[in-house]
Order: sequence, then C-alpha cells, then structure tokens
Amino acid sequence: GNSVTQMEGPVTLSEEAFLTINCTYTATGYPSLFWYVQYPGEGLQLLLKATKADDKGSNKGFEATYRKETTSFHLEKGSVQVSDSAVYFCALSQSSARQLTFGSGTQLTVLP
Amino acid sequence: DAGVTQSPTHLIKTRGQQVTLRCSPKSGHDTVSWYQQALGQGPQFIFQYYEEEERQRGNFPDRFSGHQFPNYSSELNVNALLLGDSALYLCASSIDRGFNYGYTFGSGTRLTVV
Repeated sequence: GNSVTQMEGPVTLSEEAFLTINCTYTATGYPSLFWYVQYPGEGLQLLLKATKADDKGSNKGFEATYRKETTSFHLEKGSVQVSDSAVYFCALSQSSARQLTFGSGTQLTVLP
Repeated sequence: DAGVTQSPTHLIKTRGQQVTLRCSPKSGHDTVSWYQQALGQGPQFIFQYYEEEERQRGNFPDRFSGHQFPNYSSELNVNALLLGDSALYLCASSIDRGFNYGYTFGSGTRLTVV
C-alpha cells in the first residue's frame, strides 16, 4: 500500500536559518504530492503541491521538488521566521484511491 | 467565502456512548472526507462521501459510519466509543474533478472519551 515517511522531529531552528524537512514515499504509479501545515489548535492548510515528476511546488518561500527517481518530496525554505513554527505534514494522493495518505508530521519551532 | 465548518469544536463523551460530528463543506464543493488524527500522528482516512453515498473507506471498524445530505453537508457517527477513539476529527471537502483537486480542511472536532 501507499506510505509516507517523514523526517522525525522536533526540529528547532533560529530565525533566518535554512530549513529542510525530508519526505519519502512508497506508491505505485504517479501520485500527487503535498505539503500541509498545521498551526496550534487549527486544521490543516495546504502549503504546496506537485502533480508530476520534476514539478516544483512553491508557496510563501517554501519549495519542494517531486523526485520520482528517489521517491522524495523534501520541503525547503531559505530563511525561516518565528511565524513558520507549526507541524508540517507530507502527503500523497492517487487517482485510484481518492484519499490522502499522510506522514506522521514534523514539529518545527523557530526561535527569535 | 466560508471554508469548511465543523461542529462542535470540542466534545467529551463517556466510553460506550455514541457521538455525531458535523461538517459543512466549502461552497462549491461536493465531496466530503473524514480523517482521524490521534495526538502526535498524521491524519488517517476514515471514509469519503460523494452523491450521498460512501465512496471509499479506510481501515476503520463499522462503529464508524457517516452520512451526506443533499446540500453536501456530512455527519460522522461513532458508536460504542472506546478510549482509543479520542482524537481530532477532521473534515475535508473537495470538488470531484479528478484526483488533482485540492482539499480544504476544517479546524476539526476534538473528541475526548473518558
């Protein structure tokens, strides 16, 4: 079946540091890949997505590239802010499944 | 434009009881999915409703059931509650236009079973 493996947290960075959160997946065919963010006490918000190999999703300074050869979709940001503190989830979806399969999440804390 | 609305926001129930959670999808969305998020974990897919029918189901027992109404809103029912059912229950709505559509999530209902 489908699965998503995320870098374990928590991750603590200083403001303006570079961020990488690793995500790899197992799936048949060509899934769509997503990063969702969850702020304390809230639901999930779509951060970015990529629907085919070599696509780069980007939003609010975050980027992730769909790498089929390594089955990865790592999240990066060049300079994090305190307001980026949240839990980040990598997820995939396939046309046959119509559902999102999530990783376990990575807690990010950015210190001023 | 209202997004996905879930009610109630918090709920405390006793083991063995039954609970109903409600979801109103984003305007224009016709598909509703339910997820269970245990503390410190990623959301797990429960089921999806489209055209008032359960279209797909995850690995959850029959104690979990649902319904979708003609206005696309949905309910999640859980019978014979167990302590392990304590979680954040998330509703996500979408448009049935193919699998690349985006999901919009609600803020969830926090269920505590004591």
